[in-house]
Amino acid sequence: DAKTTQPNSMESNEEEPVHLPCNHSTISGTDYIHWYRQLPSQGPEYVIHGLTSNVNNRMASLAIAEDRKSSTLILHRATLRDAAVYYCILRVSLNYGGSQGNLIFGKGTKLSVKP
Amino acid sequence: DTEVTQTPKHLVMGMTNKKSLKCEQHMGHRAMYWYKQKAKKPPELMFVYSYEKLSINESVPSRFSPECPNSSLLNLHLHALQPEDSALYLCASSQGEGQTNQPQHFGDGTRLSIL
Repeated sequence: DAKTTQPNSMESNEEEPVHLPCNHSTISGTDYIHWYRQLPSQGPEYVIHGLTSNVNNRMASLAIAEDRKSSTLILHRATLRDAAVYYCILRVSLNYGGSQGNLIFGKGTKLSVKP
Repeated sequence: DTEVTQTPKHLVMGMTNKKSLKCEQHMGHRAMYWYKQKAKKPPELMFVYSYEKLSINESVPSRFSPECPNSSLLNLHLHALQPEDSALYLCASSQGEGQTNQPQHFGDGTRLSIL
């Protein structure tokens, strides 16, 4: 299984940076690292993805370790609206139980943001 | 606003009823997905359609019957459901199945309650 390990929960203060860690020690060379988040009463929302290099977009930054066995999602200034469950997911490039490349969600990290 | 639209947002039905959930996207995506999410749990993949053909059925009971009438629409027909089928049903789409460097776009789901 291409699994990820995340802390169950984290807390942050509003307007401070947040670093959400993810371990994926079984990652293969062509597996992409994806991050999604799910706000209360909404469907999951794509945040960012990467393969080897660090990535930035308007929502967040993704820092990928040199050995690719871990990554960190960085929210540069947390807002109350960032309170959500954040999922780190490996998109497996080879056949995996018939679900090639599909999203297999783990438990995620529940992020709370304090005003 | 999500680009994947699901209707209805809420549905209450008895165990003998027949109902359908609908999902629509106009992004030109060729892969569409159904997920089931129980309370405080991560989403679980149910079905994958690729180019309007069923590609993956994750051993879902036959009381759930998916249908993809065209590339923009995805239905989930429900019949003789059980109380344990009460959940949030999420639809998603992506450019193509198995494209691990492309995100999936989710709707906000239909919250289903079985009486």
